[in-house]
Amino acid sequence: EIVMTQSPATLSVSPGERATLSCRASQSVYSNLAWYQQKPGQAPRLLVYGASTRATGIPARFSGSGSGTEFTLTISSLQSEDFALYYCQQYNNWPPITFGQGTRLEIK
Amino acid sequence: QVQLVQSGAEVKRPGASVKVSCKASGYTFTSHYIHWVRQAPGQGLEWMGIINVSAYSTSYAQKFQGRVTMTTDASTSTVYMEVSRLRSEDTAVYYCAREIKHVGNADAFDIWGQGTMVTVSS
Repeated sequence: EIVMTQSPATLSVSPGERATLSCRASQSVYSNLAWYQQKPGQAPRLLVYGASTRATGIPARFSGSGSGTEFTLTISSLQSEDFALYYCQQYNNWPPITFGQGTRLEIK
Repeated sequence: QVQLVQSGAEVKRPGASVKVSCKASGYTFTSHYIHWVRQAPGQGLEWMGIINVSAYSTSYAQKFQGRVTMTTDASTSTVYMEVSRLRSEDTAVYYCAREIKHVGNADAFDIWGQGTMVTVSS
């Protein structure tokens, strides 16, 4: 099973600033990596797939990068609606498909 | 619009079974695989399994083998997920999710159901 490790667990950033979230895989997942945003009481929403492709309707301030075992989600200028939980997911080696434990992005 | 609509919340006794439905609309049902993911209160996302709705084939996480069954009814564009021998640790929100495409390998999940809360309590 591939273990996905996200860091940090909690990230405090001011609105308008840049946020950088990290995700590490225990072995290479190539570019088979997605990022999701989840707000309280809601289902996750796909932000990025294929490590760097934005999903339909996702603002350009969200960008994904990386390949192999190291991945990054960058939010260039935080808006109030961006403060949420973020999960990475690998779908290269399965079963099982695995998720990171999440990064909570909070207002500083 | 493209959506997955799940059945309502359930409360079950330990040892019972629960069957959650996920009805698809707005797209060609047989063109996309469906996954099930659960989230215990205050916890992260846990993948349970996948169903190929056109071939009726499934693959489950080892943790759920023998206790989870995923089925589909193409006539109503509905997928079902049944969990048997429920225990308190199965208390969670259960989500169905559509895979973007499945060409040789799995893909990310672009459409999610609203979630179904299943509470297991005596």
